[in-house]
Amino acid sequence: DAGVIQSPRHEVTEMGQEVTLRCKPISGHDYLFWYRQTMMRGLELLIYFNNNVPIDDSGMPEDRFSAKMPNASFSTLKIQPSEPRDSAVYFCASSFGGYQETQYFGPGTRLLVL
Amino acid sequence: RKEVEQDPGPFNVPEGATVAFNCTYSNSASQSFFWYRQDCRKEPKLLMSVYSSGNEDGRFTAQLNRASQYISLLIRDSKLSDSATYLCVVRGPGNQFYFGTGTSLTVIP
Repeated sequence: DAGVIQSPRHEVTEMGQEVTLRCKPISGHDYLFWYRQTMMRGLELLIYFNNNVPIDDSGMPEDRFSAKMPNASFSTLKIQPSEPRDSAVYFCASSFGGYQETQYFGPGTRLLVL
Repeated sequence: RKEVEQDPGPFNVPEGATVAFNCTYSNSASQSFFWYRQDCRKEPKLLMSVYSSGNEDGRFTAQLNRASQYISLLIRDSKLSDSATYLCVVRGPGNQFYFGTGTSLTVIP
């Protein structure tokens, strides 16, 4: 299995630009999670989906952030417009069965907003 | 108050030493507990789940104390390859996962 795939691996953009992060979960997994990691705040859950349906988006920082999961094999996290404080590593993770089950993380997207 | 709190360290220990990390959680209704390991510039990976009765995996031992709301990780006979950041993870009653900010461990030759 290829594991969780994320793209791009690195993104450098200017403030105000739209950023789209992509994730392909492990085949057969029914939960998908988006996290953000910074030195100051550690790993924060932004949103998670179960069977392509958003279950909890209370971690999404503000309206500039949106996430979609149009099918079981693809999800996007969009930031529009981006700001320097959005600079972080964004991880996607997937699991089968949700709680009590191992979450498998993708390699992350390192985002720098100038 | 944060859902999960960890001592960030760093812990610098010699090879062969025993080291222990603690983590506290705020919600008494939390249901599942884990330790993840994260290497520098890599993604977190599950190290072990933590069960009520405590559990061991080779040199690693995890304990849960529900009364005091903390979990611990003990590493015996530390190896250079154990150098990493160890993340405490708690699943709350609403199925949300809360990660600690991690404890940094460096094992010195």
